Amino acid sequence: EIVMTQSPATLSVSPGERATLSCRASQSVSSNLAWYQQKPGQAPRLLIYGASTRATGIPARFSGSGSGTEFTLTISSLQSEDFAVYYCQQYNNWPPRNTFGQGTKLEIK
Amino acid sequence: EVQLVESGGGLVQPGRSLRLSCAASGFTFDDYAMHWVRQAPGKGLEWVSGISWNSGSIGYADSVKGRFTISRDNAKNSLYLQMNSLRAEDTALYYCAKDMTRVNDAFDIWGQGTMVTVSS
Repeated sequence: EIVMTQSPATLSVSPGERATLSCRASQSVSSNLAWYQQKPGQAPRLLIYGASTRATGIPARFSGSGSGTEFTLTISSLQSEDFAVYYCQQYNNWPPRNTFGQGTKLEIK
Repeated sequence: EVQLVESGGGLVQPGRSLRLSCAASGFTFDDYAMHWVRQAPGKGLEWVSGISWNSGSIGYADSVKGRFTISRDNAKNSLYLQMNSLRAEDTALYYCAKDMTRVNDAFDIWGQGTMVTVSS
C-alpha cells in the first residue's frame, strides 16, 4: 500500500498570505495525485487532479505542483472561505488501491 | 444536476451486515468508475473500494478486503456496498464518489454520505 504523508498537520496563516501544503508518497505515483478541500459538515471537493490541473470552477489562486513522490498545494492569497482541511490522494494503482493523506488543517492566524 | 445520494446506513451490531446504496443522476453512469470513501467521526478520509465502469476491475482497502463487496447496476444507475462481519472500527460516514474516468482517477462528484454505526 502506498502511504501518503501530509505536512504540516496544522498550518496557521493570515488572510491574504500564501499557504504551502506538502504531500509525500512512500513510492512514486507519477502525476496521479489529487487535492481535495473539506469544510465542516460538507463532503470533500476536488481542487486539483493530475498533480497540477485545477478542477472545474476552482479559482486560480489554487495551484498544484510535483511528480513522483513530492507534491505541493499552494494557495496564493488566502480568502476567508479557504480555511478548511486539505487532503491529498494518490490513484496510481490498477486495480484501484487509492490512498489519502491524513490531512492538513488550514486555520486562521 | 449531477447528484449522488447514498442510503442504507444505520445502527448495526458487531458481526452483522449492512448494504449501502448510491443513486446517481445527471450523468451517464456507465461511463465512469465509482468509489466508496469513509470518514470516521473526527478523522480523515479513507478510500474503501472502487469499481470500474463495467465492473471488470475492482479494488479494496486492506482494512475491508474479504468483508466488503462493491457492485454496480448500470441499468439502475446505482452503486452498492455490501458490508459483512462489521466491526466497531467500521463506524464512519460513507461517501459515494464518482471517478473522472472509466477506470481510476480523481473523484469529481461526491454524495453527502450515509452514517454507519457499529455498536452493541
